[in-house]
Amino acid sequence: EDKVVQSPLSLVVHEGDTVTLNCSYEVTNFRSLLWYKQEKKAPTFLFMLTSSGIEKKSGRLSSILDKKELFSILNITATQTGDSAVYLCAVDNGGSNYKLTFGKGTLLTVNP
Amino acid sequence: ETGVTQSPTHLIKTRGQQVTLRCSSQSGHNTVSWYQQALGQGPQFIFQYYREEENGRGNFPPRFSGLQFPNYSSELNVNALELDDSALYLCASSSLNRGPGTEAFFGQGTRLTVV
Repeated sequence: EDKVVQSPLSLVVHEGDTVTLNCSYEVTNFRSLLWYKQEKKAPTFLFMLTSSGIEKKSGRLSSILDKKELFSILNITATQTGDSAVYLCAVDNGGSNYKLTFGKGTLLTVNP
Repeated sequence: ETGVTQSPTHLIKTRGQQVTLRCSSQSGHNTVSWYQQALGQGPQFIFQYYREEENGRGNFPPRFSGLQFPNYSSELNVNALELDDSALYLCASSSLNRGPGTEAFFGQGTRLTVV
């Protein structure tokens, strides 16, 4: 069975800190890994990673994938209170349908 | 804004009742997937619809069923509601391809409470 494990499950930091969120996976096939931010309801798309070693960046957020070691990290630098959210990691197993297997998420709280 | 809209936003139902949730997918997307997210958990795949047919299903019983319409909008139906069905139901819209990967864009979800 496909499995995605995120760590830590929760994290409390102060504004300005840098955080690293982890995601490891075991899937029968792999097509891509996706990161989402969930503040209240709708998960909002952050990154899609398909190739090892290529960093994706968007402002203070960046992410990289290691397909050999089966993990990804999401970095957030100079955190702000608006970064407080649940960060979800999901893997597309590349089957005939488009099915995402999600981890439980990391709850990030950024205090002023 | 993802362009994926779900209705209703909140719903309270009694155990044993039936419920229908609705989703309008993003323009240009032909695939709709439904996910159930229990409190403190990641979303779990219920099923997917592509070209009006079910195209994959997760570990959910047959009382969870769905439809996709020619305009790619979709419904999720749940019969004989149980207390454990209380969750956030998310609809995700995407374009199915067999390339390196594609993003799924989520609606705001429907919060279902079964009492």
